[in-house]
Amino acid sequence: ILNVEQSPQSLHVQEGDSTNFTCSFPSSNFYALHWYRWETAKSPEALFVMTLNGDEKKKGRISATLNTKEGYSYLYIKGSQPEDSATYLCAPSGDSWGKLQFGAGTQVVVTP
Amino acid sequence: EAQVTQNPRYLITVTGKKLTVTCSQNMNHEYMSWYRQDPGLGLRQIYYSMNVEVTDKGDVPEGYKVSRKEKRNFPLILESPSPNQTSLYFCASSFGDSLNYGYTFGSGTRLTVV
Repeated sequence: ILNVEQSPQSLHVQEGDSTNFTCSFPSSNFYALHWYRWETAKSPEALFVMTLNGDEKKKGRISATLNTKEGYSYLYIKGSQPEDSATYLCAPSGDSWGKLQFGAGTQVVVTP
Repeated sequence: EAQVTQNPRYLITVTGKKLTVTCSQNMNHEYMSWYRQDPGLGLRQIYYSMNVEVTDKGDVPEGYKVSRKEKRNFPLILESPSPNQTSLYFCASSFGDSLNYGYTFGSGTRLTVV
């Protein structure tokens, strides 16, 4: 079982502010790193999949970077909006595409 | 519409009564997976499948069985449910090794075992 840590556990952001949070995972035996967004009463929704060290992905105001050598990924939200309120999950796969290990998530609350 | 369909959405059952939660996807995905979500523990993988007739254990497989006889279906079977299997269950599917798409999740099944 991989040790996946996400920090902080939760954060409150004012509308319009930018924020970022971290996913840490074992740097050995790395296959891919997934990010998901999970809104209350809905299902997790895929944001990014990254595999290469130095990868950067962007989707609208949300972007992510990956450092496989040191075992971390950052997710950034630029100009946060209330609709960005959700729990953001990271999930590295250490052995294969099929075996994902989810972190506990960072809960983001954006207040107007 | 491309989707993962789980049934039922809600289920209350008694200890020891065998049950099956169905999962079906219409996207021709190779990979399918089952997760359970418990407060404070996050999403934990139960079983996953790489293709028809190919399955492997996740992190919490005890008390569960799966089968993958057809590409689109991946049912989760609880032969003798116990109260500690009360949880929110998600099925998910994905193309293999896709760099552009992660997993598509179903709507979830909330199971209560009394």
